[in-house]
Amino acid sequence: DADVTQTPRNRITKTGKRIMLECSQTKGHDRMYWYRQDPGLGLRLIYYSFDVKDINKGEISDGYSVSRQAQAKFSLSLESAIPNQTALYFCATSDSGLYNEQFFGPGTRLTVL
Amino acid sequence: GENVEQHPSTLSVQEGDSAVIKCTYSDSASNYFPWYKQELGKRPQLIIDIRSNVGEKKDQRIAVTLNKTAKHFSLHITETQPEDSAVYFCAATLNSGYSTLTFGKGTMLLVSP
Repeated sequence: DADVTQTPRNRITKTGKRIMLECSQTKGHDRMYWYRQDPGLGLRLIYYSFDVKDINKGEISDGYSVSRQAQAKFSLSLESAIPNQTALYFCATSDSGLYNEQFFGPGTRLTVL
Repeated sequence: GENVEQHPSTLSVQEGDSAVIKCTYSDSASNYFPWYKQELGKRPQLIIDIRSNVGEKKDQRIAVTLNKTAKHFSLHITETQPEDSAVYFCAATLNSGYSTLTFGKGTMLLVSP
């Protein structure tokens, strides 16, 4: 089945370490997104990409960077992790055009000690 | 930018009762309002959406209503069942084809048998 996958699913790291979270999709969608979920704060957009050559900052991009390596791959990096980046991270994809459903990956639970 | 407020943050009902979750949005130009359901430990998934040219949409036991004048929209679940227990997120966007979703902070619905 066409799907959205994320690696790793869980990660514990230390303050100051560089971390990369990876997202892959087999849906053939052009658009990809990275969200952060914190209890009581909902889903907040970190970065998004509407095609391979397009990268845009979202609501909370400070401390994060992204790379769109191919249509199917979108990676999120924390250059120097800090404890308040402890959260559940979701990748999502959608088709281009209007009124398109976003399909989420299974999430990566990141803990920064 | 768009701001979406969602209430209540938690909602407990008995099986068979109805549940209503309400959202308000700030940008009067927003024209697309999806609802996502996230079961415990799972990824968010789209359950229903409504466009601004429609006042109400139903799908079996769930319905969404939209009041553009008041800038609010609501999710209605009738005859609730334990499997309806989840976190529900509303979202809003001006769907121009190049826009992103702004999510509410979520409502945890608990349906007791």
